Amino acid sequence: QQQVKQSPQSLIVQKGGISIINCAYENTAFDYFPWYQQFPGKGPALLIAIRPDVSEKKEGRFTISFNKSAKQFSLHIMDSQPGDSATYFCAARTSGSRLTFGEGTQLTVNP
Amino acid sequence: EAQVTQNPRYLITVTGKKLTVTCSQNMNHEYMSWYRQDPGLGLRQIYYSMNVEVTDKGDVPEGYKVSRKEKRNFPLILESPSPNQTSLYFCASGPLGPPWYNEQFFGPGTRLTVL
Repeated sequence: QQQVKQSPQSLIVQKGGISIINCAYENTAFDYFPWYQQFPGKGPALLIAIRPDVSEKKEGRFTISFNKSAKQFSLHIMDSQPGDSATYFCAARTSGSRLTFGEGTQLTVNP
Repeated sequence: EAQVTQNPRYLITVTGKKLTVTCSQNMNHEYMSWYRQDPGLGLRQIYYSMNVEVTDKGDVPEGYKVSRKEKRNFPLILESPSPNQTSLYFCASGPLGPPWYNEQFFGPGTRLTVL
């Protein structure tokens, strides 16, 4: 059973557009919500993260929005660029450092 | 350079032939973990380790073994591989404890095909 549900599975956006990826979770014990970015042939790398007492976190063109009551969080990529084309994973941390990942979203940004 | 290394990067084997995928990190991290990545299923945790000689099952441990005899190494062992273990495998490491977040650093991946 997938504890973190991610959508959409794939996303195509034009250069300069906004990319939005959504995640939902059930386990209220999750205490940290990172997003990882993965380029073809590489391992995932941390992009941005948020903790549940914060509703929004912004780093450059990347923003996480967090809705604790709805148990949902999302990644917004503003002014999307072809170099942002990658697979994005949301995740949630449980006890210790255990991460549970979503299914992944393959983002394609067309020039 | 701080990194997680995995070997081999690519492996084709046959059903039942024991194999080991090595993982090593040079960041003195306490936490290490193995994941498998399959299309549409994301990254699923196989085993993890909080420190030397401390290992525990993740979400999909069946058919796998691990050991943590040294802090830097965390090998993944498939004693009798089967075709359903064909996948892309990632090792990761990270620090434990405060601050409130702890990043996991991933290796480059091992693509395993079991015929």
